[in-house]
Amino acid sequence: NAGVTQTPKFQVLKTGQSMTLQCAQDMNHEYMSWYRQDPGMGLRLIHYSVGAGITDQGEVPNGYNVSRSTTEDFPLRLLSAAPSQTSVYFCASKLGASSYEQYFGPGTRLTVT
Amino acid sequence: GQQLNQSPQSMFIQEGEDVSMNCTSSSIFNTWLWYKQDPGEGPVLLIALYKAGELTSNGRLTAQFGITRKDSFLNISASIPSDVGIYFCAGQRWGGGSNYKLTFGKGTLLTVNP
Repeated sequence: NAGVTQTPKFQVLKTGQSMTLQCAQDMNHEYMSWYRQDPGMGLRLIHYSVGAGITDQGEVPNGYNVSRSTTEDFPLRLLSAAPSQTSVYFCASKLGASSYEQYFGPGTRLTVT
Repeated sequence: GQQLNQSPQSMFIQEGEDVSMNCTSSSIFNTWLWYKQDPGEGPVLLIALYKAGELTSNGRLTAQFGITRKDSFLNISASIPSDVGIYFCAGQRWGGGSNYKLTFGKGTLLTVNP
């Protein structure tokens, strides 16, 4: 098993550009989520999904869209990048909503200039 | 949103020393979790706690679920250089529309001097 994979590892965008951060898991997990990590802020939940076709907002959803067309994939879209979205983004998955063991991907470091 | 207060923010210790860090919340959690993040990687689960008052060990790590359900601590004994990293507490709440979302503390950055 590859676990949770994320691409790209690094990305630089100009303000106003759009892009999609990819996330995939091969563990047949129902629950997937996206976090952003900023210095001194810990991990903040952006969006999450309890299963294919179901998504919901987390703590900091503005400026981001998600979809979950398959169990395996959970892409995060930045519609119009802003410098405030400079961060490290982590995708995570777990077996089900009530499961406690959440597996994190290696992260995507995004810089918006 | 719900806040977890994690302290200390950072620690600089000598190899062999014991370490203690804690998290407190104004609200009750059903599960407390402790994660470690190595530089450049995603967090990895260290210990999960399910019952108030529970004390759980994982090697040199010991964690406790506070009796009030509003706090938890993590101890690391006899620290070694590979303990360096950021340690996060996380709380999980069941029901009430929470959808079992995890709330994370801001992290404790641990530096171990050989």
